[in-house]
Amino acid sequence: EPEVTQTPSHQVTQMGQEVILRCVPISNHLYFYWYRQILGQKVEFLVSFYNNEISEKSEIFDDQFSVERPDGSNFTLKIRSTKLEDSAMYFCASSEDRNQPQHFGDGTRLSIL
Amino acid sequence: AQSVTQPDIHITVSEGASLELRCNYSYGATPYLFWYVQSPGQGLQLLLKYFSGDTLVQGIKGFEAEFKRSQSSFNLRKPSVHWSDAAEYFCAGQDRGSTLGRLYFGRGTQLTVWP
Repeated sequence: EPEVTQTPSHQVTQMGQEVILRCVPISNHLYFYWYRQILGQKVEFLVSFYNNEISEKSEIFDDQFSVERPDGSNFTLKIRSTKLEDSAMYFCASSEDRNQPQHFGDGTRLSIL
Repeated sequence: AQSVTQPDIHITVSEGASLELRCNYSYGATPYLFWYVQSPGQGLQLLLKYFSGDTLVQGIKGFEAEFKRSQSSFNLRKPSVHWSDAAEYFCAGQDRGSTLGRLYFGRGTQLTVWP
């Protein structure tokens, strides 16, 4: 069964550094999402992406965050200047259509020191 | 504002016992509803979904969930739990007819299974 792939599985970064989290969505999917889960808290929506542009972003997704689909397969989340509170598990998801179930990757655990 | 609530943070059951995990939603209109499971070190796997029609939906791994509009609930059930079911379970909702697809998650319920 096709799956969403995320790399790396764990990223450790110094505060203030830039980090890029990578995702390869399922190949025929058109909608892409990033979510995050701070330890002990809910899974929170960050951003959705369709047709090479952001469809919706949450209040968490401020100017420090950006997303990109640089080629036909990858979908990336960039955090420009990381803060301690960015430490979380980041999940990428994709779906065929906006009202079809979203399929999630295994996540990237981001630790900011 | 849309929200999904899972009242139970942690549930412990014995292997072979029945299981019910609670989920309540608060939306303007009935949302699409999902249950996901997360095993340690892994991502969120879709167990089942409710879009419309039959209010009792069957999922993978022997799970089912029942949508009850009158109670704004979508509880997950399994008649006989296996040790491999130990994991964290998330209920999620999505605005029906939304052009955006954003999911709202509950806090999750951690399931422990005693042998």
